[in-house]
Amino acid sequence: EILLTQSPAIIAASPGEKVTITCSASSSVSYMNWYQQKPGSSPKIWIYGISNLASGVPARFSGSGSGTSFSFTINSMEAEDVATYYCQQRSSYPLTFGAGTKLELK
Amino acid sequence: EVQLQQSGPELVKPGASMKISCKASGYSFTGYTMNWVKQSHGKNLEWIGLINPYNGGTSYNQKFKGKATLTVDKSSSTAYMELLSLTSEDSAVYYCARHSYGNYLDYWGQGTTLTVSS
Repeated sequence: EILLTQSPAIIAASPGEKVTITCSASSSVSYMNWYQQKPGSSPKIWIYGISNLASGVPARFSGSGSGTSFSFTINSMEAEDVATYYCQQRSSYPLTFGAGTKLELK
Repeated sequence: EVQLQQSGPELVKPGASMKISCKASGYSFTGYTMNWVKQSHGKNLEWIGLINPYNGGTSYNQKFKGKATLTVDKSSSTAYMELLSLTSEDSAVYYCARHSYGNYLDYWGQGTTLTVSS
């Protein structure tokens, strides 16, 4: 099973601030997805295939990485970005998720 | 519009079994595999397994073998997950989620809250 370690667990950012979340895999993966989840709602696909934005996702979001190290970036934090973000690998089964990063507004 | 409509919240006693349903609409049910995901304590996401509605083929996370059984009813475009021998550790929110051709979970049900308590 591939373990995904996300950091930080919690981050607070001011409007306009750049935010970066990292996801480290225990083995090399070729495909990383990111989901956004807001309280009381189901997760939503946000970034797929390492760097592709899902439909409707603002261009201030981006994803990058390869092998065992991946990152998720918001170029300029907005209030609507408050949520928990999860990485997920699909290179091998079982599919696994990171523990999540809770993004708060400072 | 793709929709996955799950059954309502459940309160069940320890040792019992229960079944969650996920009714799909807005797409060809047999064209996409269906996954099930557990979310405990409002945070950790765990993949339980998937089922191919076309042929009923399944793949389970080893951790959930013997705990979860996935089935489908093609006639009603509904996927089911039966959870067996329930304990308090099974209290969680359970989601069904469609597996897209792009290899990500593109549509999710609204979640079913299971509480196991005497």
